[in-house]
Amino acid sequence: SAVISQKPSRDICQRGTSLTIQCQVDSQVTMMFWYRQQPGQSLTLIATANQGSEATYESGFVIDKFPISRPNLTFSTLTVSNMSPEDSSIYLCSVAVLTGKETQYFGPGTRLLVL
Amino acid sequence: GENVEQHPSTLSVQEGDSAVIKCTYSDSASNYFPWYKQELGKRPQLIIDIRSNVGEKKDQRIAVTLNKTAKHFSLHITETQPEDSAVYFCALPGPGTYKYIFGTGTRLKVLA
Repeated sequence: SAVISQKPSRDICQRGTSLTIQCQVDSQVTMMFWYRQQPGQSLTLIATANQGSEATYESGFVIDKFPISRPNLTFSTLTVSNMSPEDSSIYLCSVAVLTGKETQYFGPGTRLLVL
Repeated sequence: GENVEQHPSTLSVQEGDSAVIKCTYSDSASNYFPWYKQELGKRPQLIIDIRSNVGEKKDQRIAVTLNKTAKHFSLHITETQPEDSAVYFCALPGPGTYKYIFGTGTRLKVLA
């Protein structure tokens, strides 16, 4: 499995501001994903981060609100823009190494509180 | 699209008893079925997975069974211990993709 780190681990932000979350993997991976986990809830996929091209967003998530970058095979960022209290969640990146299994491994998450 | 239902939402068992969590899905093309454990404040971690060419897989006290005809797969934990207390999620890659759809989660409490 890959070693995945995220920064920051937590943050408290004011409404109307933006926060960029970083995800770093210790090896080259094919697929990177960003999830949101609201308090006490399951994981919801925000988007697939594509290397060198625009991310693929799931229904209900848009690029203007959640811009994503993936400049190479080991790094991605998710920005939460123009934040409101409803954006308070845990944001997790995950990676999949496509070696015949579709297994995803998760980063430690970023706990975001918007006041 | 694919749909995953997970039951029960909460489960309390006495230490040493068994726990069973079930997920039902809709797309018969699904062929990979992972289970994740998420302890409080931590990341989801893969604990066991199964492919559709086998019906059961065991790893010590944990097992996963798959019934493709009925479209459900279950997590079995035997001889439960307090450290098994966590939220468990089933997941399902969407057909033809590597994107996961997660079940709603089961909060397991093992009572000492």
